[in-house]
Amino acid sequence: KQEVTQIPAALSVPEGENLVLNCSFTDSAIYNLQWFRQDPGKGLTSLLLIQSSQREQTSGRLNASLDKSSGRSTLYIAASQPGDSATYLCAVYAGNNRKLIWGLGTSLAVNP
Amino acid sequence: EPEVTQTPSHQVTQMGQEVILRCVPISNHLYFYWYRQILGQKVEFLVSFYNNEISEKSEIFDDQFSVERPDGSNFTLKIRSTKLEDSAMYFCASSGDRGGYTFGSGTRLTVV
Repeated sequence: KQEVTQIPAALSVPEGENLVLNCSFTDSAIYNLQWFRQDPGKGLTSLLLIQSSQREQTSGRLNASLDKSSGRSTLYIAASQPGDSATYLCAVYAGNNRKLIWGLGTSLAVNP
Repeated sequence: EPEVTQTPSHQVTQMGQEVILRCVPISNHLYFYWYRQILGQKVEFLVSFYNNEISEKSEIFDDQFSVERPDGSNFTLKIRSTKLEDSAMYFCASSGDRGGYTFGSGTRLTVV
């Protein structure tokens, strides 16, 4: 049974820092992995989608990597800003049953 | 950018009442989903829908739940007789062939 774990659970950093959020999954037979952002009480905004054949994806200050064989993905945020404060969720997609399995998220606070 | 639209954004209902949550998926997507998130917990899969039928459902999706695509654009989740433990954020999503989910902004359901 696929399990997704995210470390750390919470992170507080000063503005301008580069930071890394971690996601691990127990079954490497995934179709893709998606990172989402969730603001308090709000919806799920897709940040990056990495297909299983890809090693990384970039969007602006965000870079996500995928190492399927070791069951890990990292989300790198460069030059963090207070507006980046949110919960970051990773979810894996097994493909055969077309459902996402989610981590609990990393709650990020970027302090001005 | 195409969006998934959910209505209402908030719904308060009395225990035992029926509720219908509505969604308009992205028009050229083929797969539709409902997920829910109880406060402080992981996002959980409820049901996936493809080609006008349920393709998979979770243990949570019991006889109290049903989904329907009544026309070419809407996708609904009905809870027949709500319980207190149904209080959660309900998210609709759609995806194309290669995965890559797009989520709506959610409906916050409060059962009193």
